[in-house]
Amino acid sequence: AQSVTQLDSHVSVSEGTPVLLRCNYSSSYSPSLFWYVQHPNKGLQLLLKYTSAATLVKGINGFEAEFKKSETSFHLTKPSAHMSDAAEYFCVVMGGYSSASKIIFGSGTRLSIRP
Amino acid sequence: DSGVTQTPKHLITATGQRVTLRCSPRSGDLSVYWYQQSLDQGLQFLIQYYNGEERAKGNILERFSAQQFPDLHSELNLSSLELGDSALYFCASSLQGDTGELFFGEGSRLTVL
Repeated sequence: AQSVTQLDSHVSVSEGTPVLLRCNYSSSYSPSLFWYVQHPNKGLQLLLKYTSAATLVKGINGFEAEFKKSETSFHLTKPSAHMSDAAEYFCVVMGGYSSASKIIFGSGTRLSIRP
Repeated sequence: DSGVTQTPKHLITATGQRVTLRCSPRSGDLSVYWYQQSLDQGLQFLIQYYNGEERAKGNILERFSAQQFPDLHSELNLSSLELGDSALYFCASSLQGDTGELFFGEGSRLTVL
């Protein structure tokens, strides 16, 4: 079985400061992991993905995530937050056999940016 | 722009009614997924189609049904609507059915009064 837990439902940071959105996963297989972003009134957009290549994955808009198998974590970071980063972020795990039911979305973390 | 088109963007209807949501996937994508997003349930996978065939089923109610047509567009039918069906319904597509790399439409917001 697999699951994903986003440890914070809401994160607030000041513009220009680092962002850390935490995600832990559980998977019986070598997982593929993803981060998606959803801006207000928009659909979800893929930020980055990990598929067993490099453990440090770079995505769009300056975001990156590091796969840590020993900690079963896939935290999303950005060195300097921008106002446009305010959105909902979803950590996603996919593992095992191919099936959409094996694509598990976390509950989401709302990122707010203070001016 | 993801290339996935959903219509209508907004829909208001009454309890007991039936609605159809439409999705056109990205050009060349064979797989279509439907998700329901609500405040209390989060993002819930409903159903997946691959090249016209049902591929996987999630938490889809019996009152809901879907299909994918030969031109690969998909429709989600919601019947005997209840207040609790009010949600944002997303369609996503992918080239094949084996990756988590999905391209989402902007959703259809359904309000049941």
